[in-house]
Amino acid sequence: AQSVAQPEDQVNVAEGNPLTVKCTYSVSGNPYLFWYVQYPNRGLQFLLKYITGDNLVKGSYGFEAEFNKSQTSFHLKKPSALVSDSALYFCAVSPHGSGNTGKLIFGQGTTLQVKP
Amino acid sequence: NAGVMQNPRHLVRRRGQEARLRCSPMKGHSHVYWYRQLPEEGLKFMVYLQKENIIDESGMPKERFSAEFPKEGPSILRIQQVVRGDSAAYFCASSPPAQGVNEQFFGPGTRLTVL
Repeated sequence: AQSVAQPEDQVNVAEGNPLTVKCTYSVSGNPYLFWYVQYPNRGLQFLLKYITGDNLVKGSYGFEAEFNKSQTSFHLKKPSALVSDSALYFCAVSPHGSGNTGKLIFGQGTTLQVKP
Repeated sequence: NAGVMQNPRHLVRRRGQEARLRCSPMKGHSHVYWYRQLPEEGLKFMVYLQKENIIDESGMPKERFSAEFPKEGPSILRIQQVVRGDSAAYFCASSPPAQGVNEQFFGPGTRLTVL
């Protein structure tokens, strides 16, 4: 079965410190990978995506993610966290290949708490 | 360019009633996806539609749920004879006609509460 795992329900980090939110996936072939952020009572906002090419992808608000094929991981990172980064983060994959329709398979989400 | 619009934002229904959730995609987008987010869980894919066609409904419950995306007007997710387990946030996302890999743009969601 295709799945996405975010092993940490919550990540706590002090403002100014680097942050990492982990994501691993189990999908056949070479999937497309995404990160979204959700603020309370809001829809999801796109942060970044990996399709092909350079393993380090840069996205919105200073976030970046590193694709590691051998570890089937796509961890989200930011060099210096801001209090305003506190939100719920979702990793998602879109299986690639014939018959796949672009639907996203989401992880269960990781709450990021940045403390001043 | 307005984003994805969903209405209502909050919907309360009693068991056995019908719920109709509406989604207007972004201008120029012809692909619509519906997802459900149960409390404390991630989003689960329900259905993917293009204008007047259901492309993938593999995530839709077999009974009581239906979706449409008519030539004119918003996409509708319809839940008949709602039960308490249908209480969730329902998100719609849209994307432009496929040219490469496009991210999906999400609406604010409709929070359905079944009493």
